[in-house]
Amino acid sequence: GESVGLHLPTLSVQEGDNSIINCAYSNSASDYFIWYKQESGKGPQFIIDIRSNMDKRQGQRVTVLLNKTVKHLSLQIAATQPGDSAVYFCAENPANAGGTSYGKLTFGQGTILTVHP
Amino acid sequence: KAGVTQTPRYLIKTRGQQVTLSCSPISGHRSVSWYQQTPGQGLQFLFEYFSETQRNKGNFPGRFSGRQFSNSRSEMNVSTLELGDSALYLCASSSGTGGSAFFGQGTRLTVV
Repeated sequence: GESVGLHLPTLSVQEGDNSIINCAYSNSASDYFIWYKQESGKGPQFIIDIRSNMDKRQGQRVTVLLNKTVKHLSLQIAATQPGDSAVYFCAENPANAGGTSYGKLTFGQGTILTVHP
Repeated sequence: KAGVTQTPRYLIKTRGQQVTLSCSPISGHRSVSWYQQTPGQGLQFLFEYFSETQRNKGNFPGRFSGRQFSNSRSEMNVSTLELGDSALYLCASSSGTGGSAFFGQGTRLTVV
């Protein structure tokens, strides 16, 4: 039978607006978080990361906010452009004492961002 | 610096066959992780290799296996292919000691 796809949240904005994409993570022991952008037919592209000892980090046109109390992560994109249209994923990396879990990321379901000219 | 290179980009295989996918990480990176991406399940972790050893493993059957060579290049093998194995297979390269992970373009596997 047919497979049922994930129902990804969608966000539609006008060019020039600011966009906010949200993500709830599951593991309170996670100490490293990454945002990725994935365009159709391509692999995920690294945008920005943040460690659990920070609550905010800024890059070029992007800001990531981390709220560990409610296990929430957000990505803010300033002056959104049509080229920002893509699926955005947050990913978390759980910490362990031996540091052996660094290579394992758990991904959120993703958010589809559409930017209208 | 060259990015992560995955080959081949596209593959079509028949049920029951096996397949080998290749990933060349960023120079200097010692960790290669593999992920399966499908519309139904999203991005799921398969396994990670660090310094030629499997360090982490996801919840996939034993038909999925991998290895890493001394130059950090990694291969992933899927035996006895099933229709449900059709997916985009992605590898990610990182230092393995806490840095960011960077993905290749993926291999699109179609099982018919």
